[in-house]
Amino acid sequence: DAGVTQSPTHLIKTRGQQVTLRCSPKSGHDTVSWYQQALGQGPQFIFQYYEEEERQRGNFPDRFSGHQFPNYSSELNVNALLLGDSALYLCASSLSGTGVGRPQHFGDGTRLSIL
Amino acid sequence: QKEVEQDPGPLSVPEGAIVSLNCTYSNSAFQYFMWYRQYSRKGPELLMYTYSSGNKEDGRFTAQVDKSSKYISLFIRDSQPSDSATYLCAMSGPTGTASKLTFGTGTRLQVTL
Repeated sequence: DAGVTQSPTHLIKTRGQQVTLRCSPKSGHDTVSWYQQALGQGPQFIFQYYEEEERQRGNFPDRFSGHQFPNYSSELNVNALLLGDSALYLCASSLSGTGVGRPQHFGDGTRLSIL
Repeated sequence: QKEVEQDPGPLSVPEGAIVSLNCTYSNSAFQYFMWYRQYSRKGPELLMYTYSSGNKEDGRFTAQVDKSSKYISLFIRDSQPSDSATYLCAMSGPTGTASKLTFGTGTRLQVTL
C-alpha cells in the first residue's frame, strides 16, 4: 500500500522564479494538505484541498496556490520566489470527515532551496 | 505567543530510559492531539492520536492529555537508539484530525548506547 509520495525530492531555484511541487496521496485518501517546514521549526499549514477545491488556508500570501485533480493528487505552486521560501514542503493526506479517526499521513517532502 | 509551545531540546538519554516529551497550548479550540516522529531528511511519521483527556497506550508509547491544564505528554518506555529523532506534537480544532494541524517546534531526542 503506497504512502504519500512527493516529487521532486530536491529543487534549486533563484529569486523571482516560479515552482510547482507535486503530491500523490495515500491510497484511499481524498484530502490533501500542504505544509511548509523551515529549518528547526514545526510544519506550518499552507492550505487544504478536497473535492478539487481549497477548503482551508493558513497565513500564506497569494503567491502560494494549489490545485487538486480528480484522482486526488495535488500541486503546490509558488510564484515570485523569495529567499524566505527556502524550506521543506510537506504534503499530507487523509480521509475527509470529522472526528478522531482520520489522521493525516505525510510524505517525505520536497526540499526547496532559493538562491 | 505561539499557540503551541514545545521545548526544542536537544534531550539526551541513555538506552533503556523513560523519556517524557511535553507540549503546552493556549487555544481552547484544540480538541484533537497527535504525536509525530521525524527522522532526519524524512517527513513526519504518525505515532499516536487521541481526543480524550487521559492516557492512550500503544506498545512502548503512552500519550497523555490534560485538557484542563492545556498540557499533553508523550512517554517512551525502554528507549532505543532507533528512537533518536525529532518528536512533534500537533493539534487540531473541533472538526477533527483531518483539518488544519498546528505543530510545536519539535523536540530533538538522542538515545545513547
